[in-house]
Amino acid sequence: KAGVTQTPRYLIKTRGQQVTLSCSPISGHRSVSWYQQTPGQGLQFLFEYFSETQRNKGNFPGRFSGRQFSNSRSEMNVSTLELGDSALYLCASSLNPGTNYGYTFGSGTRLTVV
Amino acid sequence: AQKITQTQPGMFVQEKEAVTLDCTYDTSDPSYGLFWYKQPSSGEMIFLIYQGSYDQQNATEGRYSLNFQKARKSANLVISASQLGDSAMYFCAMREPNDYKLSFGAGTTVTVRA
Repeated sequence: KAGVTQTPRYLIKTRGQQVTLSCSPISGHRSVSWYQQTPGQGLQFLFEYFSETQRNKGNFPGRFSGRQFSNSRSEMNVSTLELGDSALYLCASSLNPGTNYGYTFGSGTRLTVV
Repeated sequence: AQKITQTQPGMFVQEKEAVTLDCTYDTSDPSYGLFWYKQPSSGEMIFLIYQGSYDQQNATEGRYSLNFQKARKSANLVISASQLGDSAMYFCAMREPNDYKLSFGAGTTVTVRA
């Protein structure tokens, strides 16, 4: 059974550019969420999608956006990149929105903004 | 307010010994789920163990067990018979109903010595 696939694994971008990260969940999982991990702030929730609807959004500026497609694949976009956006971006998928279902994470996309 | 608190930034443990990682949580909801994840240097978050708030028994998964003390709002992870491959960052996380996200603690770095 394929796990959660995130592409690309590594990315280097310049300040001011935009970037799109992709996440393919485990087959059958309809919930996809995104997290940003930095040494200073730790793991912070970005947003969660279920059946193409955003159900929750973290405290991030509007430069961070996402979407989910009908096949449950998700993308997140960061526009006008800042140096502080350098981070490991983790995607996680879940079978069911209930509290007793955990999330399976991908290997992450490591974004470096120069 | 912090929902998950992990007070141990780093720990050293001798191979084959047990180690306990502390986690306290804060919620007013009676229904919630508690998770532990392992993050090796590669970055991927690996699910270890889950404890539901209504579960009567402490969760166990192989060498991992969860010491769940509901009244004290603590969910400590115990790793028995530590192995060199257990060296990683460990995160405690909580999911509350209708929140559609995991709230993570700051993590504890475990280093297993031969």
